[in-house]
Amino acid sequence: LAKTTQPISMDSYEGQEVNITCSHNNIATNDYITWYQQFPSQGPRFIIQGYKTKVTNEVASLFIPADRKSSTLSLPRVSLSDTAVYYCLVGSGNTPLVFGKGTRLSVIA
Amino acid sequence: GAVVSQHPSWVICKSGTSVKIECRSLDFQATTMFWYRQFPKQSLMLMATSNEGSKATYEQGVEKDKFLINHASLTLSTLTVTSAHPEDSSFYICSARPLAGALGETQYFGPGTRLLVL
Repeated sequence: LAKTTQPISMDSYEGQEVNITCSHNNIATNDYITWYQQFPSQGPRFIIQGYKTKVTNEVASLFIPADRKSSTLSLPRVSLSDTAVYYCLVGSGNTPLVFGKGTRLSVIA
Repeated sequence: GAVVSQHPSWVICKSGTSVKIECRSLDFQATTMFWYRQFPKQSLMLMATSNEGSKATYEQGVEKDKFLINHASLTLSTLTVTSAHPEDSSFYICSARPLAGALGETQYFGPGTRLLVL
């Protein structure tokens, strides 16, 4: 069973900020939270990873509340090329990542 | 950094033949690699965990004699689909986790291999 729950799909217009929230109620103390992006017929691409509070890189921000039972991926000013499936995963060490269904983001012009 | 490659990127074969897929970590070493399979419109399904120098660990329902995994070095794992049949047609993706302490607690994925069995 996947350890995370995400909305199945989201729609957004170009230029808007998109926030995708993921629930992981049973996250373990050692687990990190990692988000991946996947385009059709490609492997998942690493977006961002965090353990607690807020993490920001050149493409996204990740917000993690103090209880770590959820996280929110924030994509600023999305474009058509951001249309993809986004996966939220939790895990640590050499344990394999178990994929849920992900969130299919559609960006509309 | 943290690039994982797969070869071939796609392959078409006849039913009954065997196909080998390579997964390489190009700029880091990985004691553990993972193999996933993805059917159209579905999520990635973990097939097995590949450990350098030891036997792979297979997920429930994955036939270890059909999907042979070899992890011969810290940068290479191979998946061989033996006696492939049309139902084995899928998108196969590997991932690798750098050795502890390097590049964070992150797994990096290869670009995938599309297998079509006729």
